[in-house]
Amino acid sequence: DTAVSQTPKYLVTQMGNDKSIKCEQNLGHDTMYWYKQDSKKFLKIMFSYNNKELIINETVPNRFSPKSPDKAHLNLHINSLELGDSAVYFCASSRGQNNRGYTFGSGTRLTVV
Amino acid sequence: GENVEQHPSTLSVQEGDSAVIKCTYSDSASNYFPWYKQELGKRPQLIIDIRSNVGEKKDQRIAVTLNKTAKHFSLHITETQPEDSAVYFCAFIGGGSYIPTFGRGTSLIVHP
Repeated sequence: DTAVSQTPKYLVTQMGNDKSIKCEQNLGHDTMYWYKQDSKKFLKIMFSYNNKELIINETVPNRFSPKSPDKAHLNLHINSLELGDSAVYFCASSRGQNNRGYTFGSGTRLTVV
Repeated sequence: GENVEQHPSTLSVQEGDSAVIKCTYSDSASNYFPWYKQELGKRPQLIIDIRSNVGEKKDQRIAVTLNKTAKHFSLHITETQPEDSAVYFCAFIGGGSYIPTFGRGTSLIVHP
C-alpha cells in the first residue's frame, strides 16, 4: 500500500551498462520528480514532470532520461553508466503547483562497479 | 538562481537539550517552507511546514519560525531524544516555480 514505490531498491551494475529504475505513485498526484542524493546527502533535482511539461536540470547528463507512460509512473533510464552515477535515487510526487502532499519514494541505491 | 543556505551542517546535542537549524533563502516571493527528516537508510519525510502568511507553527516538540523580512526560517526541536537523530532538510518553494529547492541538510546527533 506504499504511496510512492520504486524498484529496484538496490541495483549493482557494471560500468557501461544501461539500466532503468521504475517509480509508481498511487496518490493521484499530477507531478513527479527524480532526485539524486550523493554521499554528502545533498538532494539534487534531476527532473520534474507533469502532463504538461518536462523540466530538466541542465546539469544532468543526457545519459539520463525520464520516461512517463502515464500520470502514475515516471521511470528513469540511464545509459552508459559511470562510476560517478553511484548514488541513491529518489522519486517523488506532488499534487498541483502548490506542492501539496509532496512525498518521496523509498529510494534506489545504485552502485556502479 | 534560487538558493537556500542551511546551517549548521552538523549538530551534536545531549538528550533533553534543544536543537535549532536555520535556513536562509533568496527568493522573496517564496511562499511555502517545508522541513524534512531523513533517518539513516530511509526516505526524507515531511515533519512540519509553514506558509508565508504565518510566522510560527508548532507540533508537539517541533516548531518552525519564519522571518520574511530577513528571509530566514528555522526548525526548533525541544527536549531532544535519540530517535531525533537524523538528517534534516529545509526547503522552499519560490514564487516562480513549483519545484522545491532543498538545503544541503543538517546531521543532528542526539547523545543519550
